[in-house]
Amino acid sequence: DTGVSQDPRHKITKRGQNVTFRCDPISEHNRLYWYRQTLGQGPEFLTYFQNEAQLEKSRLLSDRFSAERPKGSFSTLEIQRTEQGDSAMYLCASSQNREPGSYEQYFGPGTRLTVT
Amino acid sequence: KQEVTQIPAALSVPEGENLVLNCSFTDSAIYNLQWFRQDPGKGLTSLLLIQSSQREQTSGRLNASLDKSSGRSTLYIAASQPGDSATYLCAVSASGTYKYIFGTGTRLKVLA
Repeated sequence: DTGVSQDPRHKITKRGQNVTFRCDPISEHNRLYWYRQTLGQGPEFLTYFQNEAQLEKSRLLSDRFSAERPKGSFSTLEIQRTEQGDSAMYLCASSQNREPGSYEQYFGPGTRLTVT
Repeated sequence: KQEVTQIPAALSVPEGENLVLNCSFTDSAIYNLQWFRQDPGKGLTSLLLIQSSQREQTSGRLNASLDKSSGRSTLYIAASQPGDSATYLCAVSASGTYKYIFGTGTRLKVLA
């Protein structure tokens, strides 16, 4: 399977614990995005990387959230001191600049986080 | 601030019907518009991407159109099938940024 993969697929944690999610993009894609989706809503942008550089962060990404993409390959999203409001589906996507105006985004299966 | 709206929020149709899903956006200065399908509890599957210079794209029974000046896109599904039942999301990226702003989706149910 050469698509975007995410691990774990499901995570249940207690309030106050730290969690880390991993995303492996499609291998030739240089851009990687994180989104968060709550029930009944469309995904909301969190942050994106071009290679290893984090180029944009949403105001949704509070100081409890941190994302990295070392060496421009896989990415991790860490949430510290989780709160019940962090319960959501965390989606990762990747894209490549194949030609001017392309940038089609391909999504992974998501990580479902439940904070109890 | 870009806002994306999808109408209707939910739709139920008998199998075989042709149908149209609507997406509107408030800022016409977009770079891309992409339509996705999402099955319950799953990730997003890309259906069609329309670049800002394009008017429409087609894939099989799907046709998406884009009218930037009026801030609208439509997704046309021909001869709907029960397997088309899912939530359909549209997303736009503004010029100068690669992030997507999503609508809240249209939940489609095709009845056998």
